[in-house]
Amino acid sequence: DTGVSQNPRHKITKRGQNVTFRCDPISEHNRLYWYRQTLGQGPEFLTYFQNEAQLEKSRLLSDRFSAERPKGSFSTLEIQRTEQGDSAMYLCASSPQWANAAEAFFGQGTRLTVV
Amino acid sequence: GENVEQHPSTLSVQEGDSAVIKCTYSDSASNYFPWYKQELGKRPQLIIDIRSNVGEKKDQRIAVTLNKTAKHFSLHITETQPEDSAVYFCAAHGGSNYKLTFGKGTLLTVNP
Repeated sequence: DTGVSQNPRHKITKRGQNVTFRCDPISEHNRLYWYRQTLGQGPEFLTYFQNEAQLEKSRLLSDRFSAERPKGSFSTLEIQRTEQGDSAMYLCASSPQWANAAEAFFGQGTRLTVV
Repeated sequence: GENVEQHPSTLSVQEGDSAVIKCTYSDSASNYFPWYKQELGKRPQLIIDIRSNVGEKKDQRIAVTLNKTAKHFSLHITETQPEDSAVYFCAAHGGSNYKLTFGKGTLLTVNP
């Protein structure tokens, strides 16, 4: 599969622990997005990178959340001091610069469970 | 910000029947409306999209219509098959160049 790759696929953590997820976009895509999806809901936008620059952050992204894309390739999403409300599927998507934001390819997501 | 409402939340049809899912949006600046299909445990996949300068678009058994005046758009699936069973999400490109706003999804079940 040469699409967007996310690791790990599943993560179970205790409340208060820190977790980090990784996203490897399609190689020629310079746009990268993080979304969060909870059960029975559509994906909610978290943040957007163009190359290494983080250009937009949702208000959903509290100060416990941080995302990076240091070399404009892979990205990491870190959640500090996890809470049970952070349990969700975290989806990464990427698109080439010429494409509309909607023409994005999603990864299979990282499912986070906070116990 | 943009708000997208999607109906119905669940839809059950017999194989061969048509299915229609409807969405409304709030931001008149939105100009791009994709539809995603998500099977259980899998990633959302773009199945069709429409831009604001077009009223209708068709791709084999799938079609999407857009009414900009009323700010609503719909997905039509004809001759449904069991493999069409999935959750379908509509979304709107809400004026920002960077994000999509999704509806809450419709669980479509096609009964053989």
